[in-house]
Amino acid sequence: EIVLTQSPGTLSLSPGERATLSCKATQSISNTHLAWYQQKPGQAPRLLIYHASTRATGIPDRFSGSGSGTDFTLTISGLEPEDFAVYYCQLYVTSPPTYSFGQGTKLEIK
Amino acid sequence: QVQLQESGPGLVKPSGTLSLTCAVSGASITVKWWSWVRQPPGKGLEWIGEIYHDGSTNYNPSLKSRVSITVDKADNRFALNLNFVTAADTGVYYCAREGDGGYNLGLWGQGTPVTVSS
Repeated sequence: EIVLTQSPGTLSLSPGERATLSCKATQSISNTHLAWYQQKPGQAPRLLIYHASTRATGIPDRFSGSGSGTDFTLTISGLEPEDFAVYYCQLYVTSPPTYSFGQGTKLEIK
Repeated sequence: QVQLQESGPGLVKPSGTLSLTCAVSGASITVKWWSWVRQPPGKGLEWIGEIYHDGSTNYNPSLKSRVSITVDKADNRFALNLNFVTAADTGVYYCAREGDGGYNLGLWGQGTPVTVSS
């Protein structure tokens, strides 16, 4: 079983700063199987990035994804007040077909 | 505009069956895979399983023995049944649709809270 570990658990930054969130897999994975989500309190998750680096429809370009193999990163350049939320990375495994999520990183206002 | 709407009882007794429905509007359920995801209070996301319009299913191995997901093409909806529930099954349950390019969940319902308690 491949496990995703996100770090840090909590990230405290100020608006305008750059956020770098990490997601590490216990085995090498295909880029097409890695996605990132944003979740605000009381709301459903929202897809931000799929295939490790492709922004979903309507996602601002300050959000970017990168990485390969076991190490993946979500970068938010120039934090806006609405960006403070919890972020999850997600893996899809093809055999057997299953989704799994990292434990999340909480991005909070410093 | 595609929308997903969960519905079902908000309270289920221990050892009973949790049954939820996801109504899909603005798109046909005969395209893409459709999933259920849950979130215990204050915790992270757990994928439950997915279904295709032909009835093919994939389930989380940790829940497989208790889960059934079905599809109703005539009414454009799909359903979740989770048997023998305990307090650990309490949480918000989301339905979701496979996203562009596959291997992700591109569209989500607003979620429905379910509490398991006597």
